Amino acid sequence: DMKVTQMPRYLIKRMGENVLLECGQDMSHETMYWYRQDPGLGLQLIYISYDVDSNSEGDIPKGYRVSRKKREHFSLILDSAKTNQTSVYFCASSLSGTGNSDYTFGSGTRLLVI
Amino acid sequence: AQKVTQTQTSISVMEKTTVTMDCVYETQDSSYFLFWYKQTASGEIVFLIRQDSYKKENATVGHYSLNFQKPKSSIGLIITATQIEDSAVYFCAMRENNYAQGLTFGLGTRVSVFP
Repeated sequence: DMKVTQMPRYLIKRMGENVLLECGQDMSHETMYWYRQDPGLGLQLIYISYDVDSNSEGDIPKGYRVSRKKREHFSLILDSAKTNQTSVYFCASSLSGTGNSDYTFGSGTRLLVI
Repeated sequence: AQKVTQTQTSISVMEKTTVTMDCVYETQDSSYFLFWYKQTASGEIVFLIRQDSYKKENATVGHYSLNFQKPKSSIGLIITATQIEDSAVYFCAMRENNYAQGLTFGLGTRVSVFP
């Protein structure tokens, strides 16, 4: 069953709280990604992970950090969440980070920071 | 740097007709890859079809096909015999070949299919 699983699906946090978004994949994909999706801004890349402990900033990394200790698992951490981090967060994976490897997306996590 | 632009924000079509949506891209690379994704009302994003820049033939998968015009840096998506369930937001995306990076997405085109 080839899929990307995101937990939780919905999350409400208060400003200043820490947030952990989890993502897992069962395809042994090398590369994993975190995006956020906002109206009018589309999908923006936060971080990319090429393999265990091999992470790289995307276009909007400020306020976020990531952790990848196992190939199948990639976490996004918001330390002291801010209201402007309210968004829908998508995790994705691909066989490779290069060439024509397409993404498999998770179902997304809707985060509301109040 | 790569850039992807989808100028059509929304399109409405009647069921069983053909819909075409546009996408233009910018890149300095001679080798790159173009993708189309569909986001349904539930929020799920699924991969539809891909075009490799070095291939002259337009890609086709099921009732999805591409109109790749390399000199115009354009990759249009064509959906034939549309169905109600084709109602969704369609995203164009690209990746340059020179180094590992994430896909860059356009802002999407919302397609509404009416009976």
